[in-house]
Order: sequence, then structure tokens, then C-alpha cells
Amino acid sequence: ELKVEQNPLFLSMQEGKNYTIYCNYSTTSDRLYWYRQDPGKSLESLFVLLSNGAVKQEGRLMASLDTKARLSTLHITAAVHDLSATYFCAVSNTGNQFYFGTGTSLTVIP
Amino acid sequence: NAGVMQNPRHLVRRRGQEARLRCSPMKGHSHVYWYRQLPEEGLKFMVYLQKENIIDESGMPKERFSAEFPKEGPSILRIQQVVRGDSAAYFCASSPFNYGYTFGSGTRLTVV
Repeated sequence: ELKVEQNPLFLSMQEGKNYTIYCNYSTTSDRLYWYRQDPGKSLESLFVLLSNGAVKQEGRLMASLDTKARLSTLHITAAVHDLSATYFCAVSNTGNQFYFGTGTSLTVIP
Repeated sequence: NAGVMQNPRHLVRRRGQEARLRCSPMKGHSHVYWYRQLPEEGLKFMVYLQKENIIDESGMPKERFSAEFPKEGPSILRIQQVVRGDSAAYFCASSPFNYGYTFGSGTRLTVV
């Protein structure tokens, strides 16, 4: 079974600071996704990464993918309170399942 | 486009009762997926369906759980004789093909 690990599990950071969330996965995958989930809400798609070296940016978030290392990163630049949420990475294989990481709970403090 | 619609949003059942969760996929989407999220955990795959067919149910518990996606109407996830451990958020997702999920808002099941 494909395994997905995220770290850290919990992240408390001050506004204005930068930080990176890491996502490792165990076997070859053709797609990697990043989602955001607010408490009691559904998952909001942030990024889909399809190839080695892919980099996507949206506002203060930037995601990258290294398929050889089986690693994706989600970099947060100059954090603001609105970014407080839980972030999940997910990997899909040639089948139809998504395998989710355990999530990173991010709290941005003033 | 109303997105993926799930109902009810919240469901409370006593132990031993049945729970029925509904999911209407986005218009034009013929692939439906069910996931379960336990508190403070990621989502775990349960089942993948296309119209009138179960394609992959490898994540479904062997007993008490069943799913269907009839020719007409929503997909249904059915849990019989619920137990406390079934308390979770159940998310449905749909896609037009094997790519590009859209998640619904989820049904939060509480078993008392």
C-alpha cells in the first residue's frame, strides 16, 4: 500500500515568517495534490503537481515536486492569519484511490 | 453548477441503527468516491463507483458497510447497526473521469 507521510504534524508560526511543510510518499506516483481544510469544512484543492520538477504558486503558497526523491514541499511565505488551516498532501496511483497524508495543522499567530 | 452535494450535513444515530449518507455528484461526473476521515486524521479511501457498478471497494469494512450508485439518483453509503467507532466525517468526491476530484462538504456522523 502506498504510504504518505507529512511533517510536521503541527506547526505554529508567527505572522510574516516563512516555513515549509514536507510530504514523502513510498512508491511511484503520477500525481500529487495539496489540499486545505478548515475546521468542519470540506477539502479545498490548492495544487495538482504532475511531473518531476513541477512548481506551482498561488499567493503566499508554493508547491514543488521531486518524483525521484518522492518528495513534495509546500512553502509558506510571509504567513498571515488567514492561512491557519490543516493542509493535506495526497498521492494517486494508476488506480483510482487517493492516499492522504495525516495532515499538517497550521496556526499562524500575530 | 452546484458542486458535489452531500446530505445530510450532520447525522446522529444511536448504536444499532442504520445510517444512510447521500452524495449527488457534479453534473457530468460519472465517477464517485467515498472517503472517511476520523478525528485529526487524513482521509481514507473506502469505495469507488461508477453508475451501477462498484469498481473498487478495497477500503470498505467487510461487514455492515455497503455502497451503491444507481442509474438514477444519488450514490448512497449505507452503514448498518452503527457502532461508536463509525463516528467520523464521510466525504464524497466525484470526477468526470479518473482525474480531478471535487469533494463534497461531507456528512458528519455521530453515533451515541
